[in-house]
Amino acid sequence: ETGVTQTPRHLVMGMTNKKSLKCEQHLGHNAMYWYKQSAKKPLELMFVYNFKEQTENNSVPSRFSPECPNSSHLFLHLHTLQPEDSALYLCASSQVSAPQAFFGQGTRLTVV
Amino acid sequence: TQLLEQSPQFLSIQEGENLTVYCNSSSVFSSLQWYRQEPGEGPVLLVTVVTGGEVKKLKRLTFQFGDARKDSSLHITAAQPGDTGLYLCAGEYGGTSYGKLTFGQGTILTVHP
Repeated sequence: ETGVTQTPRHLVMGMTNKKSLKCEQHLGHNAMYWYKQSAKKPLELMFVYNFKEQTENNSVPSRFSPECPNSSHLFLHLHTLQPEDSALYLCASSQVSAPQAFFGQGTRLTVV
Repeated sequence: TQLLEQSPQFLSIQEGENLTVYCNSSSVFSSLQWYRQEPGEGPVLLVTVVTGGEVKKLKRLTFQFGDARKDSSLHITAAQPGDTGLYLCAGEYGGTSYGKLTFGQGTILTVHP
């Protein structure tokens, strides 16, 4: 238990569906992140939120839409995804002033 | 774009053997972290190194940060089957890049009983 909880753990969706991934952290951190982990590729940073404000969008396609309503919750809204978007999506949190990131268990997403 | 080279990509050894995993970059890190990830789970932080030349020990694991802060190594002594997993190094570049980590490709370690 790392203090970062992601739901759902597994998700299968069609290319025309709309779904959302949820992340909640209980560590009192003020920064949250979405990472993508694909087979045979390093983890890729997607989005960064500091104090609820998005500070980084790593050229992520608009079919991925993040939302951070407060410092403890982070969502990733998905729509019209492609099969190549299938991956493990990881949420992480940290203190803005500290380098250590704490990860959730991830959502295994399969787009069919 | 910073690139973090991690080697070897795969490592299969017998219980009791020693091993070293390397992490190299052409850029200077402000900090570097090592994570371990098991199948179906997220990465779990093992250690953070910040100072050039720093050595940290965690039971049978020894982490070293290069003097120039461009490389790091993870050495495991007397490996056990429980050490099996994906080991990831992650570097943080620049003083304002908190939490924005660049990851290596990872080393898949398998320790056979």
